[in-house]
Amino acid sequence: AQSVTQLDSQVPVFEEAPVELRCNYSSSVSVYLFWYVQYPNQGLQLLLKYLSGSTLVKGINGFEAEFNKSQTSFHLRKPSVHISDTAEYFCAVSNDYKLSFGAGTTVTVRA
Amino acid sequence: DTAVSQTPKYLVTQMGNDKSIKCEQNLGHDTMYWYKQDSKKFLKIMFSYNNKELIINETVPNRFSPKSPDKAHLNLHINSLELGDSAVYFCASSQELFTYEQYFGPGTRLTVT
Repeated sequence: AQSVTQLDSQVPVFEEAPVELRCNYSSSVSVYLFWYVQYPNQGLQLLLKYLSGSTLVKGINGFEAEFNKSQTSFHLRKPSVHISDTAEYFCAVSNDYKLSFGAGTTVTVRA
Repeated sequence: DTAVSQTPKYLVTQMGNDKSIKCEQNLGHDTMYWYKQDSKKFLKIMFSYNNKELIINETVPNRFSPKSPDKAHLNLHINSLELGDSAVYFCASSQELFTYEQYFGPGTRLTVT
């Protein structure tokens, strides 16, 4: 069985400041990892994914994440956030055709 | 040119009623899904269909019945609605069963009173 823990439920951050959203997973087998973003009143959009290869993954909108197998983590980062990054962020894991999501992290960017 | 669409966007109904939510994807994908997002924004998969065949049924009450008339459509019918069914329901699709990038619809907010 696999599970995902997002360590921060809410992250307030000032505009142009960096942000890091933490995600840990547990799985008995190799996994594939994802970050999705949900803007207010919208569906989910894929930010980035790790399937194999380089552990540093770059996604859309300036986001990147690093896969750390030894720490079973997949933290999401952005060096400088914008007001428009205010959203809910979900980490997800899959080692089959099913995605399991974390509880989400609410990012609120303030001017 | 919407990729995954759902109707209706909002649905308000009373306990005991039967309602349906429709989902269509124009991406040519083989696999479609239904997810439920509760009031705490927790997302959980309900069903998955691949080429109109049911693949995943995550111990969802049998009041929920998905129907896939063709690969591009996956509808969700709910009988005898209960207060606890209030949630946002998302449809999603992926190219194949074992590909992992899923495309989500805008969601249907169901409120049961």
